[in-house]
Amino acid sequence: GAVVSQHPSRVICKSGTSVKIECRSLDFQATTMFWYRQFPKQSLMLMATSNEGSKATYEQGVEKDKFLINHASLTLSTLTVTSAHPEDSSFYICSARDRGGGYSGANVLTFGAGSRLTVL
Amino acid sequence: QKEVEQNSGPLSVPEGAIASLNCTYSDRGSQSFFWYRQYSGKSPELIMSIYSNGDKEDGRFTAQLNKASQYVSLLIRDSQPSDSATYLCATSDETGTASKLTFGTGTRLQVTL
Repeated sequence: GAVVSQHPSRVICKSGTSVKIECRSLDFQATTMFWYRQFPKQSLMLMATSNEGSKATYEQGVEKDKFLINHASLTLSTLTVTSAHPEDSSFYICSARDRGGGYSGANVLTFGAGSRLTVL
Repeated sequence: QKEVEQNSGPLSVPEGAIASLNCTYSDRGSQSFFWYRQYSGKSPELIMSIYSNGDKEDGRFTAQLNKASQYVSLLIRDSQPSDSATYLCATSDETGTASKLTFGTGTRLQVTL
């Protein structure tokens, strides 16, 4: 089945530094990737939608200059948290849909394993 | 604002029993509905998808959709301790292709021995 590789799985950084999270589709071409954030005991909240070769579309309330998203190829999207602060500590998860509209059928997204960011 | 509501639980059921998880959604334009299972600290994994009113069965899982009532449920038969997880209900207002999802806050299921 479709596999999305996301890394790092865990990262701890100092306040003010930037952190990059990568999301790769391993066996399919992902025209669209979605980035979610999940705080403890809360649900996944969509941050942005990234389409290959174009600028990401951010959800309301998400700072595009703080959360930089690049989707330069059909298999790779990156999320960079710039000047991270403790309140950015969260679980970040990417998901991807392939060019065919779904690897195992319509309306199916494949999720990465997530990246837990801790900002000290 | 689109909302997906779930009881946070925990829902505790004995091993072998049926677990019933419920979800309501606010957006009448929702077309696709999903149940994901999420273990602590892990990413969600798709359990079921349903697009039409009625029941859809897959092994021990049955999803039920009632668009008139804006209600979707998941039944887990013969519950196992390994089913203990948080179950997320999600909706999408698109059909035919995977799109961005609106998630509920999840219901934590505990299957006891």
